[in-house]
Amino acid sequence: DGGITQSPKYLFRKEGQNVTLSCEQNLNHDAMYWYRQDPGQGLRLIYYSQIVNDFQKGDIAEGYSVSREKKESFPLTVTSAQKNPTAFYLCASSMYRSNEKLFFGSGTQLSVL
Amino acid sequence: AQKVTQAQTEISVVEKEDVTLDCVYETRDTTYYLFWYKQPPSGELVFLIRRNSFDEQNEISGRYSWNFQKSTSSFNFTITASQVVDSAVYFCALSEAHNSGGSNYKLTFGKGTLLTVNP
Repeated sequence: DGGITQSPKYLFRKEGQNVTLSCEQNLNHDAMYWYRQDPGQGLRLIYYSQIVNDFQKGDIAEGYSVSREKKESFPLTVTSAQKNPTAFYLCASSMYRSNEKLFFGSGTQLSVL
Repeated sequence: AQKVTQAQTEISVVEKEDVTLDCVYETRDTTYYLFWYKQPPSGELVFLIRRNSFDEQNEISGRYSWNFQKSTSSFNFTITASQVVDSAVYFCALSEAHNSGGSNYKLTFGKGTLLTVNP
């Protein structure tokens, strides 16, 4: 079955620690996205990538980093510079651009210890 | 700047009632796209519909229908004869061109409406 796989489902971060959230897709999509969801706040774009080895900052990129070395993979690192990392993180993909249908993963809940 | 407003934070209905979720948007572009997504308790957003700004035809899909009105910048979603399985958070979203060439689009989500359908 084609889709997007996010792991882990739950993640805990200690103060000063960097953590990496995994996102893999087998849909052969060019574009991939990371969103952050806070209760009652909707989805906010962190980073997106429209092609391998290229990515762009979204609306709330500070304290986060990404890489796109392979078409299938778009990992997100939450760095120690992100002072309020507790949130639900969603990875998504689309064929080429964000004016198309997005396919989402099942999300990672990140909490601070 | 583009904006999506879902004024209803939470709605609670009894099974078999009809319910309408409101979505109002703001954009300066003449070409844009509107979406609805459903987020059940499992967390994964599921695509429901995509509409472009030139297609004002209303759409019906089973118990779901969408009313797109450019005159009022609204794209409302109605569930007829609601069921418990319809309980979820519903997001409206707007995508407009981020550059003049149209190769880069910015997608903005509303804050979502939590729909609870009680048996």
